[in-house]
Amino acid sequence: GAGVSQSPSNKVTEKGKDVELRCDPISGHTALYWYRQSLGQGLEFLIYFQGNSAPDKSGLPSDRFSAERTGGSVSTLTIQRTQQEDSAVYLCASSLVGVGVTEAFFGQGTRLTVV
Amino acid sequence: AQSVTQPDIHITVSEGASLELRCNYSYGATPYLFWYVQSPGQGLQLLLKYFSGDTLVQGIKGFEAEFKRSQSSFNLRKPSVHWSDAAEYFCAVGVREYGNKLVFGAGTILRVKS
Repeated sequence: GAGVSQSPSNKVTEKGKDVELRCDPISGHTALYWYRQSLGQGLEFLIYFQGNSAPDKSGLPSDRFSAERTGGSVSTLTIQRTQQEDSAVYLCASSLVGVGVTEAFFGQGTRLTVV
Repeated sequence: AQSVTQPDIHITVSEGASLELRCNYSYGATPYLFWYVQSPGQGLQLLLKYFSGDTLVQGIKGFEAEFKRSQSSFNLRKPSVHWSDAAEYFCAVGVREYGNKLVFGAGTILRVKS
């Protein structure tokens, strides 16, 4: 696709429900990131996928958070038993990693509100 | 551990004044360096990047940044700020030796006084 696509753009869920956030990266990009941005905060790293390597999950805040990337392309971030503190904008980015690092291209984000 | 520091959380400048936003990193290896901008309600946009070569790089919207290896810094500058530059600015660093993962600073919010 032309850019990184995230869906839904907005999600309101009740506390305790599970949610799935989707990211379609730029075609051919080998690296995919998930970040979280809370109101007035910076970018909090969540997880990083790079090719066939094991994902870097060091940023996931709890075991309620998980992510997968199917076929090296589409990624889904799942939050189980959502809590109010999970409310934030979840950003996905992709990049082409070859000899070195290239810039990451960001989607518009999914705004998650837990009520 | 890899880290990126943007020491200024907020900066306010007058329109037409010069701007410098600071970014420091802590790695032993040669990093790849980026500056992104996020305007209110918008996504993140790449301003400029440094991979190698000339340590002064030019970006979009009249921004430039200088890589100083001795200071582990990559500061962003603009000679004359416009009101439309009001936004949040993020420095990011990627290091091959750490799996090429991009690590972002906490961001600096720029306010422009008219």
